[in-house]
Amino acid sequence: AQSVSQHNHHVILSEAASLELGCNYSYGGTVNLFWYVQYPGQHLQLLLKYFSGDPLVKGIKGFEAEFIKSKFSFNLRKPSVQWSDTAEYFCAVNGGSQGNLIFGKGTKLSVKP
Amino acid sequence: GAGVSQSPSNKVTEKGKDVELRCDPISGHTALYWYRQSLGQGLEFLIYFQGNSAPDKSGLPSDRFSAERTGGSVSTLTIQRTQQEDSAVYLCASSRRVVTSGANVLTFGAGSRLTVL
Repeated sequence: AQSVSQHNHHVILSEAASLELGCNYSYGGTVNLFWYVQYPGQHLQLLLKYFSGDPLVKGIKGFEAEFIKSKFSFNLRKPSVQWSDTAEYFCAVNGGSQGNLIFGKGTKLSVKP
Repeated sequence: GAGVSQSPSNKVTEKGKDVELRCDPISGHTALYWYRQSLGQGLEFLIYFQGNSAPDKSGLPSDRFSAERTGGSVSTLTIQRTQQEDSAVYLCASSRRVVTSGANVLTFGAGSRLTVL
């Protein structure tokens, strides 16, 4: 069965610090990978996705993620965080012909002004 | 509609009662998903509907949970004989279509917060 691990439960950073949130998945075949973000009081929204092609994908608000197939990883990065990035971040995967997404437990990011 | 609409936004019920949660997906989206979000547990997949195909019910936690989708649009998630552990936010999402590659972008609603006393 597919699964997703997000190793950091809660990350606290100061503004302008660099961010990297870890995501590892378990699935041996072709995968589609996603990062979703949930700002306080708001809906889950798509941050970025990887389906195929360039393993370095760029999303909204300066976020990017790199798919490393050999490490089964899809880590999220941002060079300089802002207070407005305070949110919960979810990594998700689906593989093969499976229609539903499997989500990790989420990482809460708190950015201190 | 412009987004995924869910109702009610909040529901408080007593243990043992049945509840119904409604989801109205984005117009033209043929796939509809239900997830449950509990504190510290992330998003737990419950069920998804793909067009007129039989739904994938593999995530439903017990036979107290059921869902239907009428006319390929609106869906209702029903929880019978609610228990306190059913307290969570129930999220609905829709996507344009489910293709064999699985490359679907889900758009989520705001969720229905269920509290079972």
